Amino acid sequence: DTEVTQTPKHLVMGMTNKKSLKCEQHMGHRAMYWYKQKAKKPPELMFVYSYEKLSINESVPSRFSPECPNSSLLNLHLHALQPEDSALYLCASSSGVLRSNEKLFFGSGTQLSVL
Amino acid sequence: GESVGLHLPTLSVQEGDNSIINCAYSNSASDYFIWYKQESGKGPQFIIDIRSNMDKRQGQRVTVLLNKTVKHLSLQIAATQPGDSAVYFCAENHSYSGGGADGLTFGKGTHLIIQP
Repeated sequence: DTEVTQTPKHLVMGMTNKKSLKCEQHMGHRAMYWYKQKAKKPPELMFVYSYEKLSINESVPSRFSPECPNSSLLNLHLHALQPEDSALYLCASSSGVLRSNEKLFFGSGTQLSVL
Repeated sequence: GESVGLHLPTLSVQEGDNSIINCAYSNSASDYFIWYKQESGKGPQFIIDIRSNMDKRQGQRVTVLLNKTVKHLSLQIAATQPGDSAVYFCAENHSYSGGGADGLTFGKGTHLIIQP
């Protein structure tokens, strides 16, 4: 199994809603990532979890709250989002740190629309 | 600004021709580079990678060239097929202080269009 599975594929939410994005991998990877991608732009790193601990937060607003319940799961909790947060949210995983030639595997993303 | 960028936003090639997609990076300390392919509605898909101690690496129909002197990376696709239509991103390993996992910094992307 070389898949990173993200749910839901599409999500529409209002600015007062609370929702969660979910990501799952069963490759035994110990690093997991959240990226944000706006239309026609490259993915931008948001968070990195290494061995279930948050190791990188790229100055992401607190309305985005990541959670790593175990080594296979990664969540992104959303609250009080703004319309400009509408984007494709990508989850990725890697076996270990990237500089050790560990490849980064991406899921298909959740297309989020904030109304 | 971004540490990784691309020269052309769109590249149009004839089916069967070879494609060359270029990328420039600015961080001379980067030691790992990757090319990703992203089709519409999908996440980026790994194509090929190269470490800084190499200048060329070949895969199936793809070759990555690394020129550290001018901080330039290129992806060559041989005998381009309709299925190669996608946006191609180069990415560099972004090292963070304090150890732990790293992240990738992506370039702007090139949209490869295959003409019949």
